[in-house]
Amino acid sequence: DAGVIQSPRHEVTEMGQEVTLRCKPISGHDYLFWYRQTMMRGLELLIYFNNNVPIDDSGMPEDRFSAKMPNASFSTLKIQPSEPRDSAVYFCASSFGTYNSPLHFGNGTRLTVT
Amino acid sequence: QKEVEQDPGPLSVPEGAIVSLNCTYSNSAFQYFMWYRQYSRKGPELLMYTYSSGNKEDGRFTAQVDKSSKYISLFIRDSQPSDSATYLCSTTGGTSYGKLTFGQGTILTVHP
Repeated sequence: DAGVIQSPRHEVTEMGQEVTLRCKPISGHDYLFWYRQTMMRGLELLIYFNNNVPIDDSGMPEDRFSAKMPNASFSTLKIQPSEPRDSAVYFCASSFGTYNSPLHFGNGTRLTVT
Repeated sequence: QKEVEQDPGPLSVPEGAIVSLNCTYSNSAFQYFMWYRQYSRKGPELLMYTYSSGNKEDGRFTAQVDKSSKYISLFIRDSQPSDSATYLCSTTGGTSYGKLTFGQGTILTVHP
Protein backbone atom coordinates (compact mmCIF):
# COMPACT_ATOMS: atom_id res chain seq x y z
CA ASP A 1 0.00 0.00 0.00
CA ALA A 2 1.29 3.47 -0.89
CA GLY A 3 0.12 4.96 2.38
CA VAL A 4 -1.57 8.33 2.76
CA ILE A 5 -0.61 10.59 -0.12
CA GLN A 6 -0.59 14.36 0.23
CA SER A 7 0.06 16.99 -2.38
CA PRO A 8 1.79 19.28 -2.83
CA ARG A 9 4.74 18.62 -0.49
CA HIS A 10 5.58 22.31 -0.40
CA GLU A 11 3.48 25.37 -1.14
CA VAL A 12 4.66 28.96 -1.11
CA THR A 13 2.03 31.60 -1.72
CA GLU A 14 1.35 35.24 -1.11
CA MET A 15 -1.03 36.56 1.46
CA GLY A 16 -4.58 36.74 0.12
CA GLN A 17 -4.21 33.85 -2.31
CA GLU A 18 -6.30 30.69 -2.22
CA VAL A 19 -4.51 27.51 -1.20
CA THR A 20 -5.80 23.97 -1.73
CA LEU A 21 -4.19 20.97 -0.05
CA ARG A 22 -5.01 17.47 -1.20
CA CYS A 23 -5.11 14.07 0.43
CA LYS A 24 -5.65 10.50 -0.70
CA PRO A 25 -6.27 8.20 2.29
CA ILE A 26 -5.40 4.54 2.49
CA SER A 27 -7.94 2.44 0.64
CA GLY A 28 -10.52 0.94 3.00
CA HIS A 29 -9.99 3.43 5.80
CA ASP A 30 -13.22 5.04 6.98
CA TYR A 31 -11.81 7.94 9.03
CA LEU A 32 -9.86 10.89 7.68
CA PHE A 33 -8.23 13.60 9.78
CA TRP A 34 -6.62 16.95 8.97
CA TYR A 35 -3.98 18.20 11.42
CA ARG A 36 -1.82 21.30 11.51
CA GLN A 37 1.63 21.31 13.13
CA THR A 38 3.61 24.35 14.28
CA MET A 39 6.50 24.76 16.69
CA MET A 40 4.39 26.93 18.98
CA ARG A 41 1.18 24.89 19.11
CA GLY A 42 2.29 21.38 18.19
CA LEU A 43 -0.10 19.05 16.35
CA GLU A 44 -3.68 20.36 16.29
CA LEU A 45 -6.73 18.55 14.94
CA LEU A 46 -8.61 20.74 12.46
CA ILE A 47 -11.41 18.47 11.26
CA TYR A 48 -12.22 14.81 10.81
CA PHE A 49 -14.54 12.79 8.61
CA ASN A 50 -16.17 9.40 9.02
CA ASN A 51 -17.39 7.72 5.85
CA ASN A 52 -16.93 11.04 3.99
CA VAL A 53 -19.14 12.96 6.45
CA PRO A 54 -17.60 15.75 8.57
CA ILE A 55 -17.96 14.78 12.24
CA ASP A 56 -16.13 17.51 14.14
CA ASP A 57 -14.80 20.74 12.67
CA SER A 58 -14.37 22.56 15.97
CA GLY A 59 -10.63 22.82 15.36
CA MET A 60 -10.98 24.78 12.13
CA PRO A 61 -9.52 28.17 13.04
CA GLU A 62 -11.99 30.37 11.19
CA ASP A 63 -14.23 30.67 8.16
CA ARG A 64 -11.26 31.05 5.87
CA PHE A 65 -10.69 27.31 6.27
CA SER A 66 -12.91 24.71 4.63
CA ALA A 67 -12.57 20.97 4.04
CA LYS A 68 -14.38 18.55 1.81
CA MET A 69 -14.41 14.84 1.21
CA PRO A 70 -16.37 14.19 -2.00
CA ASN A 71 -15.58 10.47 -1.97
CA ALA A 72 -13.74 7.84 0.05
CA SER A 73 -10.47 8.34 -1.77
CA PHE A 74 -10.04 12.11 -1.79
CA SER A 75 -10.17 15.10 0.52
CA THR A 76 -9.21 18.76 0.24
CA LEU A 77 -8.41 21.47 2.74
CA LYS A 78 -8.83 24.97 1.37
CA ILE A 79 -7.68 28.28 2.82
CA GLN A 80 -9.14 31.41 1.28
CA PRO A 81 -7.76 34.02 1.71
CA SER A 82 -4.45 32.81 3.13
CA GLU A 83 -2.55 34.76 5.81
CA PRO A 84 1.08 34.54 7.06
CA ARG A 85 -0.12 33.00 10.35
CA ASP A 86 -1.43 30.01 8.36
CA SER A 87 2.17 28.98 7.67
CA ALA A 88 2.57 25.47 9.09
CA VAL A 89 2.85 21.82 8.10
CA TYR A 90 -0.56 20.34 7.34
CA PHE A 91 -0.97 16.60 7.81
CA CYS A 92 -3.68 14.29 6.57
CA ALA A 93 -4.18 10.98 8.38
CA SER A 94 -6.53 8.07 7.94
CA SER A 95 -7.58 5.10 10.03
CA PHE A 96 -9.94 2.15 10.04
CA GLY A 97 -12.03 2.70 13.16
CA THR A 98 -10.71 5.01 15.89
CA TYR A 99 -9.97 4.03 19.45
CA ASN A 100 -7.69 1.11 18.88
CA SER A 101 -6.67 1.75 15.32
CA PRO A 102 -3.49 3.65 14.58
CA LEU A 103 -3.56 6.83 12.56
CA HIS A 104 -1.58 6.60 9.35
CA PHE A 105 -0.16 9.99 8.50
CA GLY A 106 0.96 11.37 5.18
CA ASN A 107 4.25 13.23 4.94
CA GLY A 108 2.54 16.58 5.12
CA THR A 109 2.32 19.77 3.09
CA ARG A 110 4.64 22.54 4.23
CA LEU A 111 2.77 25.81 3.63
CA THR A 112 4.51 29.17 3.64
CA VAL A 113 2.42 32.30 3.24
CA THR A 114 4.45 35.46 2.60
CA GLN B 1 -4.35 24.61 30.34
CA LYS B 2 -3.67 22.18 27.49
CA GLU B 3 -5.31 18.77 27.74
CA VAL B 4 -1.96 17.05 27.21
CA GLU B 5 1.28 18.60 28.43
CA GLN B 6 4.68 17.44 27.20
CA ASP B 7 8.11 18.95 27.71
CA PRO B 8 9.41 19.80 24.22
CA GLY B 9 13.04 19.36 25.29
CA PRO B 10 15.27 19.15 23.36
CA LEU B 11 16.79 16.09 24.99
CA SER B 12 20.29 14.93 24.05
CA VAL B 13 21.72 11.63 25.32
CA PRO B 14 24.69 9.39 24.49
CA GLU B 15 24.18 6.13 22.65
CA GLY B 16 23.23 3.32 25.03
CA ALA B 17 21.52 5.58 27.56
CA ILE B 18 18.05 4.94 28.99
CA VAL B 19 15.65 7.65 27.86
CA SER B 20 12.54 8.66 29.77
CA LEU B 21 9.85 10.72 28.02
CA ASN B 22 6.82 11.95 29.93
CA CYS B 23 3.41 13.55 29.52
CA THR B 24 0.59 14.59 31.78
CA TYR B 25 -3.06 14.89 30.83
CA SER B 26 -6.06 16.55 32.43
CA ASN B 27 -9.14 14.63 31.24
CA SER B 28 -9.87 11.62 33.46
CA ALA B 29 -12.08 10.18 30.70
CA PHE B 30 -9.07 9.49 28.50
CA GLN B 31 -8.54 5.73 28.28
CA TYR B 32 -6.39 5.10 25.24
CA PHE B 33 -2.78 6.24 25.15
CA MET B 34 -0.39 6.22 22.24
CA TRP B 35 3.15 7.26 21.47
CA TYR B 36 4.02 8.40 17.97
CA ARG B 37 7.50 8.88 16.57
CA GLN B 38 8.16 11.55 13.97
CA TYR B 39 11.35 11.74 11.93
CA SER B 40 12.36 15.02 10.36
CA ARG B 41 10.14 16.05 7.43
CA LYS B 42 7.96 12.95 7.85
CA GLY B 43 4.52 12.28 9.30
CA PRO B 44 4.17 10.75 12.76
CA GLU B 45 4.01 6.96 12.97
CA LEU B 46 2.54 4.86 15.76
CA LEU B 47 5.16 3.45 18.12
CA MET B 48 3.24 2.14 21.14
CA TYR B 49 -0.40 1.79 22.17
CA THR B 50 -1.82 1.09 25.65
CA TYR B 51 -5.29 0.93 27.10
CA SER B 52 -6.00 2.22 30.63
CA SER B 53 -3.28 1.86 33.29
CA GLY B 54 -0.29 -0.43 33.23
CA ASN B 55 2.85 -1.19 31.28
CA LYS B 56 3.45 -2.43 27.77
CA GLU B 57 6.80 -3.55 26.44
CA ASP B 58 7.94 -3.88 22.84
CA GLY B 59 11.61 -4.59 22.35
CA ARG B 60 13.62 -1.66 23.71
CA PHE B 61 10.49 0.41 24.29
CA THR B 62 8.21 0.41 27.35
CA ALA B 63 5.06 2.49 27.64
CA GLN B 64 3.64 3.17 31.08
CA VAL B 65 0.33 4.75 32.10
CA ASP B 66 -0.64 5.83 35.61
CA LYS B 67 -4.26 6.97 35.49
CA SER B 68 -4.32 7.91 39.17
CA SER B 69 -1.77 10.64 38.55
CA LYS B 70 -2.66 11.18 34.87
CA TYR B 71 0.91 10.47 33.85
CA ILE B 72 2.17 8.81 30.66
CA SER B 73 5.75 7.63 30.14
CA LEU B 74 7.84 6.11 27.39
CA PHE B 75 11.16 4.47 28.21
CA ILE B 76 13.78 3.65 25.60
CA ARG B 77 16.53 1.23 26.66
CA ASP B 78 19.92 1.04 24.95
CA SER B 79 19.11 4.10 22.88
CA GLN B 80 20.49 4.25 19.33
CA PRO B 81 21.24 7.17 16.99
CA SER B 82 18.34 5.90 14.85
CA ASP B 83 16.02 6.73 17.78
CA SER B 84 16.71 10.44 17.17
CA ALA B 85 13.27 11.87 16.39
CA THR B 86 10.38 13.78 17.91
CA TYR B 87 8.21 11.69 20.23
CA LEU B 88 4.56 12.66 20.60
CA CYS B 89 2.24 11.35 23.29
CA SER B 90 -1.46 11.23 22.48
CA THR B 91 -4.68 10.16 24.10
CA THR B 92 -8.40 9.84 23.50
CA GLY B 93 -11.55 8.58 25.17
CA GLY B 94 -14.88 9.57 26.68
CA THR B 95 -16.63 12.39 24.87
CA SER B 96 -13.49 12.93 22.81
CA TYR B 97 -14.26 9.74 20.91
CA GLY B 98 -12.50 9.79 17.57
CA LYS B 99 -10.25 12.73 18.45
CA LEU B 100 -6.63 12.11 19.30
CA THR B 101 -5.16 14.91 21.42
CA PHE B 102 -1.40 15.23 21.07
CA GLY B 103 1.29 16.60 23.33
CA GLN B 104 3.74 19.19 22.04
CA GLY B 105 6.32 16.51 21.23
CA THR B 106 9.81 15.98 22.69
CA ILE B 107 12.81 16.31 20.37
CA LEU B 108 15.32 13.54 21.16
CA THR B 109 18.87 13.31 19.85
CA VAL B 110 20.99 10.23 20.54
CA HIS B 111 24.62 10.92 19.73
CA PRO B 112 27.19 8.19 19.01
